[in-house]
Amino acid sequence: GAGVSQSPSNKVTEKGKDVELRCDPISGHTALYWYRQSLGQGLEFLIYFQGNSAPDKSGLPSDRFSAERTGGSVSTLTIQRTQQEDSAVYLCASSFTRGNTEAFFGQGTRLTVV
Amino acid sequence: GQQLNQSPQSMFIQEGEDVSMNCTSSSIFNTWLWYKQDPGEGPVLLIALYKAGELTSNGRLTAQFGITRKDSFLNISASIPSDVGIYFCAGHYSGAGSYQLTFGKGTKLSVIP
Repeated sequence: GAGVSQSPSNKVTEKGKDVELRCDPISGHTALYWYRQSLGQGLEFLIYFQGNSAPDKSGLPSDRFSAERTGGSVSTLTIQRTQQEDSAVYLCASSFTRGNTEAFFGQGTRLTVV
Repeated sequence: GQQLNQSPQSMFIQEGEDVSMNCTSSSIFNTWLWYKQDPGEGPVLLIALYKAGELTSNGRLTAQFGITRKDSFLNISASIPSDVGIYFCAGHYSGAGSYQLTFGKGTKLSVIP
């Protein structure tokens, strides 16, 4: 596609429910990143994919968070048993190769846990 | 982990004025990036810097990679209303095979017409 596409753009969920966030990277981009942005804060790294593998998962805040990528393209970030502190904007980015740090971001998914 | 200190946190300027913001790091980076984020949107890449001392322009924007590799600044000349938004610096260090970007907390720019 022309840009990084994320869905849904907004998600409201009840505490304790599971959520799935989707990212469609730019076609041909092999590197994919998930970041989290809390209100008034910078971006916090969550996980990095090169192809379908995730060599860096160091930013995932707990074992309730997981992510996968299939076909070297679409990625899904799953949050299980959501908590109120999970409320944030989740941003996905992609770049052409793993050596290219010029990452292009999607518009984000605003997650609200009530 | 690496820490980025971005300043100022916010600024109000008159249309037509020049703007300067900067980031400092507790450790060195190989790459500095500057992004702009509009409300409800993801960050958009403005300028990428790859070499210590490098000075790069993109229209009215100019950014520099500090010679110590621990700092960078972004200047905007002759500001216009559409410059409003949050500007983020981001750094990358390729040591230990890391590919994550470390972001500053942003500078919120308001332009008074």
